[in-house]
Amino acid sequence: KQEVTQIPAALSVPEGENLVLNCSFTDSAIYNLQWFRQDPGKGLTSLLLIQSSQREQTSGRLNASLDKSSGRSTLYIAASQPGDSATYLCAVTAGGYNKLIFGAGTRLAVHP
Amino acid sequence: EPEVTQTPSHQVTQMGQEVILRCVPISNHLYFYWYRQILGQKVEFLVSFYNNEISEKSEIFDDQFSVERPDGSNFTLKIRSTKLEDSAMYFCASSEVDRPNQPQHFGDGTRLSIL
Repeated sequence: KQEVTQIPAALSVPEGENLVLNCSFTDSAIYNLQWFRQDPGKGLTSLLLIQSSQREQTSGRLNASLDKSSGRSTLYIAASQPGDSATYLCAVTAGGYNKLIFGAGTRLAVHP
Repeated sequence: EPEVTQTPSHQVTQMGQEVILRCVPISNHLYFYWYRQILGQKVEFLVSFYNNEISEKSEIFDDQFSVERPDGSNFTLKIRSTKLEDSAMYFCASSEVDRPNQPQHFGDGTRLSIL
């Protein structure tokens, strides 16, 4: 059964720092991996999607990497800003119909 | 940018009552999903829906739950007789096609509170 784990559970950093969020999954037979952002009381905003055949994806200050064989993904946030404060969720799909299996998230606080 | 919309944003219901959560997926999307998130817990898959039928469902999605696409735009989740443990945030999602490069797009959710 696929399990997704995210480390750390919470992170507090000063503005301007570069930071790395980690995601691991137990079954390497994934279809793709998505990183989401969730603001308090809000829905999930898709940040990046990495297909199983890809190694990384970039969007602005965000870079996500995927090492399928070791069951790991990282989300790198460059030059963090207070507006980046949110919970970041990692989710993998496996098998047909794109069912997403989520990690518990990393709660990020960027302080001025 | 097109988005998934969910109504209501907050629903308060007495235990044992039926509740219907509504979603309008992105218009050209073909795959629809419901997830839930109990406070402080992970987001959990409930059901996926394609071509007017359920394609996959989780253990959570028992006989008390049903989904329907009553017309060309709405996608609904019905809970027949609500329990206290059904209190959660319910998210609807949709995707264009079942391909690995297509992300799922989520709505803002409906917060369901069972009293």
